Amino acid sequence: QVQLVESGGGLVKPGGSLRLSCAASGFTFSDYYMSWIRQAPGKGLEWVSYISSSSSYTNYADSVKGRFTISRDNAKNSLYLQMNSLRAEDTAVYYCAREATAMATFDYWGQGTLVTVSS
Amino acid sequence: DIQMTQSPSSLSASVGDRVTITCRASQSISSYLNWYQQKPGKAPKLLIYAASSLQSGVPSRFSGSGSGTDFTLTISSLQPEDFATYYCQQSYSTPAFGPGTKVDIK
Repeated sequence: QVQLVESGGGLVKPGGSLRLSCAASGFTFSDYYMSWIRQAPGKGLEWVSYISSSSSYTNYADSVKGRFTISRDNAKNSLYLQMNSLRAEDTAVYYCAREATAMATFDYWGQGTLVTVSS
Repeated sequence: DIQMTQSPSSLSASVGDRVTITCRASQSISSYLNWYQQKPGKAPKLLIYAASSLQSGVPSRFSGSGSGTDFTLTISSLQPEDFATYYCQQSYSTPAFGPGTKVDIK
């Protein structure tokens, strides 16, 4: 069965960096676009970034552009999010999600990893 | 950017009730509209894609309709496990979610 498991969250000071990982299993990872989506405590969902199956295309929300970098390693069935220059407003649960064959339709999600940006 | 709104923001209903949630896009998105259910402490779950297609494994009491700018999610007979928050999301352009509708017990 499809499984997505995020890791790498934690407490970081403003201006700091963190790298999130998402380990995928149960499907052919290299066939699918993948995204990161976040949810601030008590708030709604915000799409953060996507990456194409071969890493040729990436896109970012304006709120993270220039600070976050999405990448993937298809040999390791893994997705990453490098987060730099973190701000308090980046505090959220970060989910990795698989995009179904219909673009930008998220059919499987991980359980999420909490990132807290605080001094 | 396309903005998504939902109404109501919350509602109280009883088991067996018919529940309708509305989602509106700031411009036409054809049928590029998805619905998700999220329970506290859990990841969202895809219910409906392309406005009206039921995701595999989702009970048939869930249905979606609409096109252009106005969309509806209907739960025909609310079950105890349906108390949750529901989000719409447009997949026409850069993905954007609605603010959510919380369905709780009356």
